[in-house]
Amino acid sequence: KAGVTQTPRYLIKTRGQQVTLSCSPISGHRSVSWYQQTPGQGLQFLFEYFSETQRNKGNFPGRFSGRQFSNSRSEMNVSTLELGDSALYLCASSLVQVTDTQYFGPGTRLTVL
Amino acid sequence: GIQVEQSPPDLILQEGANSTLRCNFSDSVNNLQWFHQNPWGQLINLFYIPSGTKQNGRLSATTVATERYSLLYISSSQTTDSGVYFCAVVPGGYNKLIFGAGTRLAVHP
Repeated sequence: KAGVTQTPRYLIKTRGQQVTLSCSPISGHRSVSWYQQTPGQGLQFLFEYFSETQRNKGNFPGRFSGRQFSNSRSEMNVSTLELGDSALYLCASSLVQVTDTQYFGPGTRLTVL
Repeated sequence: GIQVEQSPPDLILQEGANSTLRCNFSDSVNNLQWFHQNPWGQLINLFYIPSGTKQNGRLSATTVATERYSLLYISSSQTTDSGVYFCAVVPGGYNKLIFGAGTRLAVHP
């Protein structure tokens, strides 16, 4: 069974631009969560989607948004990029609940110049 | 909110040595997982262990939920074990993983 995939793997943007990251969960998994990893703040929860609905949200500004499609694939969008948005963005999938075993993708490394 | 503390923050071992990593959490949890992050950033799931003991090869983990801690044992360490080990929990009543700061392990030949 294929693992969680994320595209693109690397991205360079400039301040003020917007970016869209994509995540395809493991087949059969319906819950998709997004995390941001930075050296200063560590791994922080962004949001979780299930059945095309955002079920839980972390403490991030409204510039961070996401969505989930009927095939459980998910995208996250960051608008008006800031230097501090440079990070590794990780997607995780699980069967139904966040309390189920979480499987992570390889991440998208975003650099904002 | 819940606090997740990992110790030690850094660990240097010679190949073949054993080690114990600790994760303390301040409140009851519905899920506890251990992950290994490799040098390329990939988080690899090691154990799903909200309670009890599990073993997988040279690795084993024990969670004592009533005392709010978990231990990850690495035996006969290899250079490929290097990386960062994270403990992550889902607190009761929440639907998100809360990560500890990690233990950075370096295994030298």
